[in-house]
Amino acid sequence: GAVVSQHPSWVICKSGTSVKIECRSLDFQATTMFWYRQFPKQSLMLMATSNEGSKATYEQGVEKDKFLINHASLTLSTLTVTSAHPEDSSFYICSAGGGSSYNEQFFGPGTRLTVL
Amino acid sequence: DAKTTQPNSMESNEEEPVHLPCNHSTISGTDYIHWYRQLPSQGPEYVIHGLTSNVNNRMASLAIAEDRKSSTLILHRATLRDAAVYYCILRGNNNAGNMLTFGGGTRLMVKP
Repeated sequence: GAVVSQHPSWVICKSGTSVKIECRSLDFQATTMFWYRQFPKQSLMLMATSNEGSKATYEQGVEKDKFLINHASLTLSTLTVTSAHPEDSSFYICSAGGGSSYNEQFFGPGTRLTVL
Repeated sequence: DAKTTQPNSMESNEEEPVHLPCNHSTISGTDYIHWYRQLPSQGPEYVIHGLTSNVNNRMASLAIAEDRKSSTLILHRATLRDAAVYYCILRGNNNAGNMLTFGGGTRLMVKP
């Protein structure tokens, strides 16, 4: 199956700083990518849909000015958590849709963010 | 997309078959039934999906009820590496962009 990578796999930062997480589709072009957040012992919650070359679509309750998404190419989407606070500590997971496998979504390995 | 209901957790012995149920009584005619699983500290991975007919692949089998209001994911011989949270998800055929909505899933524990 297709491969989606994320970088970094984990990050620790101080409160008030910004953190950028990269999501790459390694062997296919992803017109659409998704960003999820997962708190401990909870399910994945969709944060936003990232479309190549256009603005992201955010789910209700997700602050677009805090979670900046850029999908500048068909293989890269980035999520920037601005002015991070301890409550932003979570497991962030991206996935890629589109390409040749319409019915299957490919997930990255996730990025563990800890804000001190 | 319609909602699914799964047991919170299930337990299995290693090398025995596992049947993971999912109820989706409000499924529409064009909804696909997808199964993903998430191993600890990893992103989800695709397992299998189907529409009406039973499906088999190298990972599992998917048995879909005739009225499509329920389905069962079958792991033929559970291994310790199959311990994960299994998510049953419905995806509408008109769901633009391939979006998936995750419910609570079933946490499968495999005993040696």
